Amino acid sequence: GAVVSQHPSRVICKSGTSVKIECRSLDFQATTMFWYRQFPKQSLMLMATSNEGSKATYEQGVEKDKFLINHASLTLSTLTVTSAHPEDSSFYICSSSPSGNTGELFFGEGSRLTVL
Amino acid sequence: GQQLNQSPQSMFIQEGEDVSMNCTSSSIFNTWLWYKQDPGEGPVLLIALYKAGELTSNGRLTAQFGITRKDSFLNISASIPSDVGIYFCAGQNAGNMLTFGGGTRLMVKP
Repeated sequence: GAVVSQHPSRVICKSGTSVKIECRSLDFQATTMFWYRQFPKQSLMLMATSNEGSKATYEQGVEKDKFLINHASLTLSTLTVTSAHPEDSSFYICSSSPSGNTGELFFGEGSRLTVL
Repeated sequence: GQQLNQSPQSMFIQEGEDVSMNCTSSSIFNTWLWYKQDPGEGPVLLIALYKAGELTSNGRLTAQFGITRKDSFLNISASIPSDVGIYFCAGQNAGNMLTFGGGTRLMVKP
């Protein structure tokens, strides 16, 4: 399967600071990447769709100014949690497909954010 | 967002037993996917189903795409301790977005 990698896997930050999470496709070019959020013992909820070279599409209820997404290259998408607060603590996971808008989605390892 | 109805929510079984879990939806999907997630990790794809009625196996795993395109099941035969984890079904349509089930937490007693 295709390889998607995230960094960092864990991050702890103080309230009010911003945190950047990177998602890379290691062996394919990703025109589209998806960002999910997962709370403990819950399923994955789609936050936004990241499109290379254009603006991300956010799901209803997700603040675009809070969760900044940049997809500047075909192998890298970043999610920046701005002015993080404790309620932003969560497991953030990205995914992508070598087939673009079709085919099987492969997930990164996830990034656990803890905001103190 | 929308979720699929996945059941059971959790299972506690003896090593060697077979396991069955399923997902149902009020909407049809073009593709059904089954993922396994270990604690602190991202989901790993187990099986992908593309045609209604399709039955696909991957080792001890067998999954079927329901004929109505609104449901799917996953069977695990002869469970082993490393099968422990959370299993998610996901329905997929155009645009590649996934709709996830609530997950089935599997616990295996050696």
